[in-house]
Amino acid sequence: QKEVEQNSGPLSVPEGAIASLNCTYSDRVSQSFFWYRQYSGKSPELIMSIYSNGDKEDGRFTAQLNKASQYVSLLIRDSQPSDSATYLCAVKGGSNYKLTFGKGTLLTVNP
Amino acid sequence: DAGITQSPRHKVTETGTPVTLRCHQTENHRYMYWYRQDPGHGLRLIHYSYGVKDTDKGEVSDGYSVSRSKTEDFLLTLESATSSQTSVYFCAISDFPGKMNTEAFFGQGTRLTVV
Repeated sequence: QKEVEQNSGPLSVPEGAIASLNCTYSDRVSQSFFWYRQYSGKSPELIMSIYSNGDKEDGRFTAQLNKASQYVSLLIRDSQPSDSATYLCAVKGGSNYKLTFGKGTLLTVNP
Repeated sequence: DAGITQSPRHKVTETGTPVTLRCHQTENHRYMYWYRQDPGHGLRLIHYSYGVKDTDKGEVSDGYSVSRSKTEDFLLTLESATSSQTSVYFCAISDFPGKMNTEAFFGQGTRLTVV
């Protein structure tokens, strides 16, 4: 079983819609969860981190964590064409401090 | 931007030659990571370091070695480069593991081509 799994997409949404990105992880004792955005040819940049069950909002972005279900998601409200990128889910913690990534979901926001 | 510099940014090398990539940080962060990124595989951890001279293997460590003699520098060495090691390599840094806000920040990446 893969440690961190994401739908590879591509996920296509119209401008102004809500984009929903999902991630599951296998290590039940994971402590920290992150969402990164990566534009083509660029390095990943952190957009959200979450450590406790529930929702965390930052502008148009909301991260949701459910440790019992081993599930973390990212919602992007009022999606813009500039949000078009690959979104990477990352998980840290458990028995060591490795930071493990999913393969990423390609999001396309259509004007 | 986090102070992370990777060098070189681009390199073409021949099969069988040794190659060393350098990651330099000015943030005094304890943790440093080396990843490779390939289409269809995402970011895969090669090695990581949790302190000076303290390193551990990631999921794709075969054919790679690392060294960390100073807090600020983490070196990745391909002892004898192969075409399967053609990839984009990213270095990342992270703060104290006991803290909750241990986000990792990435360098600009090194594009390595082995011919």
